[in-house]
Amino acid sequence: DGGITQSPKYLFRKEGQNVTLSCEQNLNHDAMYWYRQDPGQGLRLIYYSQIVNDFQKGDIAEGYSVSREKKESFPLTVTSAQKNPTAFYLCASSIKRGGTSYEQYFGPGTRLTVT
Amino acid sequence: RKEVEQDPGPFNVPEGATVAFNCTYSNSASQSFFWYRQDCRKEPKLLMSVYSSGNEDGRFTAQLNRASQYISLLIRDSKLSDSATYLCVVTLLSGGSYIPTFGRGTSLIVHP
Repeated sequence: DGGITQSPKYLFRKEGQNVTLSCEQNLNHDAMYWYRQDPGQGLRLIYYSQIVNDFQKGDIAEGYSVSREKKESFPLTVTSAQKNPTAFYLCASSIKRGGTSYEQYFGPGTRLTVT
Repeated sequence: RKEVEQDPGPFNVPEGATVAFNCTYSNSASQSFFWYRQDCRKEPKLLMSVYSSGNEDGRFTAQLNRASQYISLLIRDSKLSDSATYLCVVTLLSGGSYIPTFGRGTSLIVHP
């Protein structure tokens, strides 16, 4: 089946540790995105990538890093510099045509808890 | 001013009711518009795209008003299963790329 997978579903870490969240898609989509969602809040864009080996900061990139070495994969690292890392992290992908991104499809998300 | 604004609700309606949500956006150069549905503790799922001519999918109707910079979602004959948060998404131009921007969502509770 085509889709977006994120792993793990739940992740627990101690403060001060870096952690990497996985996001893989087999939809052959060009663009991929990482969002963060806090309780009762909307989605906030962390990073996005429109093409392999290129990515851009979103609204809240501080304390996060990404890579896009393959079209299918867009891992997100939450570093110890991120002040409030506990959140629901969502990865999405979309087809980019003519400069306008089309609808996004989301993975099931990873709930990160840092104590 | 927030780029994409929605009334957070909650909208509490009985089964069978008709309910409408609005979403306003600030950038007149916005290109694409969507409604997503998000269930509690789940990922958002695309409900429908919104076209200039308006579009309908079963009990759901979406409208776009570019002059007033808002989109709407109408749900007819509400079902208990329609209870969810509805997210408005507007694609804005940022740094040469079109980036989706989400509203905070409108909560809908359909009761028996």
